[in-house]
Amino acid sequence: DGGITQSPKYLFRKEGQNVTLSCEQNLNHDAMYWYRQDPGQGLRLIYYSQIVNDFQKGDIAEGYSVSREKKESFPLTVTSAQKNPTAFYLCASVGTLAGGRWNEQFFGPGTRLTVL
Amino acid sequence: QQQVKQSPQSLIVQKGGIPIINCAYENTAFDYFPWYQQFPGKGPALLIAIRPDVSEKKEGRFTISFNKSAKQFSLHIMDSQPGDSATYFCAAAYSGNTGKLIFGQGTTLQVKP
Repeated sequence: DGGITQSPKYLFRKEGQNVTLSCEQNLNHDAMYWYRQDPGQGLRLIYYSQIVNDFQKGDIAEGYSVSREKKESFPLTVTSAQKNPTAFYLCASVGTLAGGRWNEQFFGPGTRLTVL
Repeated sequence: QQQVKQSPQSLIVQKGGIPIINCAYENTAFDYFPWYQQFPGKGPALLIAIRPDVSEKKEGRFTISFNKSAKQFSLHIMDSQPGDSATYFCAAAYSGNTGKLIFGQGTTLQVKP
């Protein structure tokens, strides 16, 4: 089955720790995205990558880092510099709808991170 | 100019009712307007999308109405069911931005039996 997988589903972090969230896709999509979701605030873009070995900051990149060494993988590290990391994190990748002009964004199942 | 404003924040309807969720945007370069449906603890999934050269699109019980001059678009759910209870997000993008979506704040819909 083609899709996006995120792991772990739940993650607990102690203050001062870095943690890495995994995102893998087998859809052969070039572009991948990381969002943070908090209640009542919708989805906020953290980082995105349009090609391997290249990525750009989104709206709330402070305290986060990413890498894109392989097309299939786009891990997100939540560093100790992120002061309020408790949230639901969503990874997405972009494919082309029929006709090739508009891009459908496919989401993974999410990782819920809680700081203890 | 990059914002998409969504309302209402929450909505409760009876089964069979027609909930309507509204979104407004500023950037006239946007040319792709999707709606996503998200169930608790899950990732959002594309529900329906429209492009600005049509004023309405229907897929099953879901309809998007689009008003280009007013820079507004809305989602209507016909004959709503309890299984439609979810959070709905509108979004906007333009073709030259390789899939980068600007999301509204989301609407939590509850359909009562």
